[in-house]
Amino acid sequence: IQLTQSPSSLSASVGDRVTITCRASQGISNYLAWYQQKPGRAPKLLIYAASTLQSGVPSRFSGSGSGTDFTLTISSLQPEDFATYYCQQLNSYSITFGQGTRLEIK
Amino acid sequence: VQLQESGPGLVEPAETLSLTCTVSGGSVNSGGFDWSWIRQPPGKGLEWVGHIHYTGSTKYNPSLQSRVTISLDTSKSQFSLMLSSVSAADTAVYYCARGYGIGFDIWGQGTKVAVSS
Repeated sequence: IQLTQSPSSLSASVGDRVTITCRASQGISNYLAWYQQKPGRAPKLLIYAASTLQSGVPSRFSGSGSGTDFTLTISSLQPEDFATYYCQQLNSYSITFGQGTRLEIK
Repeated sequence: VQLQESGPGLVEPAETLSLTCTVSGGSVNSGGFDWSWIRQPPGKGLEWVGHIHYTGSTKYNPSLQSRVTISLDTSKSQFSLMLSSVSAADTAVYYCARGYGIGFDIWGQGTKVAVSS
């Protein structure tokens, strides 16, 4: 199963609302997770089961979707949110990640 | 729970890459968890390599399946990755992580492995 994220990169300002999309090549129910990765660091789980916030993750992060189309929304960007974001599907035998969305400061 | 990768940082082409992930503060026997390896080539995205369930059953990325073996050592609370016949394309940061079917909630810090003579 292939995951396509859009956009591949995004420039935004502190306080902006940002949405990243992840589209699966076939239906994956809600077996989708979102991760944040900063340079030189391991990825951090933000959202699992498409819309459930991982413990300790700020409530400005939210996820939605089911089937083939999913979104990650950051309601009000903070300086620490500038990073690369990946979606991941865990529905099929082979787990796959999206190609990543790089979120940069405008 | 914390995870820590260890192993050589340099492997020669055609040889076998071997890495170990040590789980502290918990047990690899804990029910319901998968223990995964993920890699990230320089400047690129994440690629799942494979995982081992606490029961010992394994799943591998089909693109790597012929070269990958993941094993579990419950007595040491460790799991290991072996990747044979490596080439420059296997140069990456290798991460170990704990999964539970809907996400990987705990990751190691990652270890860089270069394939070069």
